[in-house]
Amino acid sequence: EVQLVESGGGLVQPGGSLRLSCAASGFTFSSYEMNWVRQAPGKGLEWVSYISSSGSTIYYADSVKGRFTISRDNAKNSLYLQMNSLRAEDTAVYYCARDRGTINYYYYGMDVWGQGTTVTVSS
Amino acid sequence: EIVLTQSPATLSLSPGERATLSCRASQSVSSYLAWYQQKSGQAPRLLIYDASSRATGIPARFSGSGSGTDFTLTISSLEPEDFAVYYCQQRSNWPPLTFGGGTKVEIK
Repeated sequence: EVQLVESGGGLVQPGGSLRLSCAASGFTFSSYEMNWVRQAPGKGLEWVSYISSSGSTIYYADSVKGRFTISRDNAKNSLYLQMNSLRAEDTAVYYCARDRGTINYYYYGMDVWGQGTTVTVSS
Repeated sequence: EIVLTQSPATLSLSPGERATLSCRASQSVSSYLAWYQQKSGQAPRLLIYDASSRATGIPARFSGSGSGTDFTLTISSLEPEDFAVYYCQQRSNWPPLTFGGGTKVEIK
């Protein structure tokens, strides 16, 4: 079964750090681009960060640039998000999502999502 | 940054009715647009990719159309399980990837 499972969320004080993990199974993780997407309570979806299949290309949303770091370990089938200098506005459910990318002028979308892990930033 | 505007914010319909959801881009995204369904407490699910192709396992009552700046998701006859929030998302001129604000389809 194709699956993504996030972990590492929790309650953290403003200015603190957390490291989220996303464990992939059921597919060749190293062949796929990956994203982190978050959803604040009662709000819509917000893209956070992207990493290419090899890890050589990385992008961030302006709202997290300089504070968050995305990485992956293809040998361990895992995706990570290191979150530093956390703010109240980072409170959200964080999803990892497999992105099939753009192939031959077709965009295939984010076709596999984890169940999400909740990050709460509060004193 | 490409802004995606979804309308209406809420659509109140009865089972069996047709739902028409709109997504408008602030500049052309060609066909690099996807639609997702999210039910309460669940992760999003891919419905449509490349504007008009149904993802694996998605029922034929879901269809997508459009290109450039104007896109439509149509649910031909609403089933009880279709009441949810729907998001469009683009990957044309990026980063950033952007999502629309969502349309909630609720039971009338």
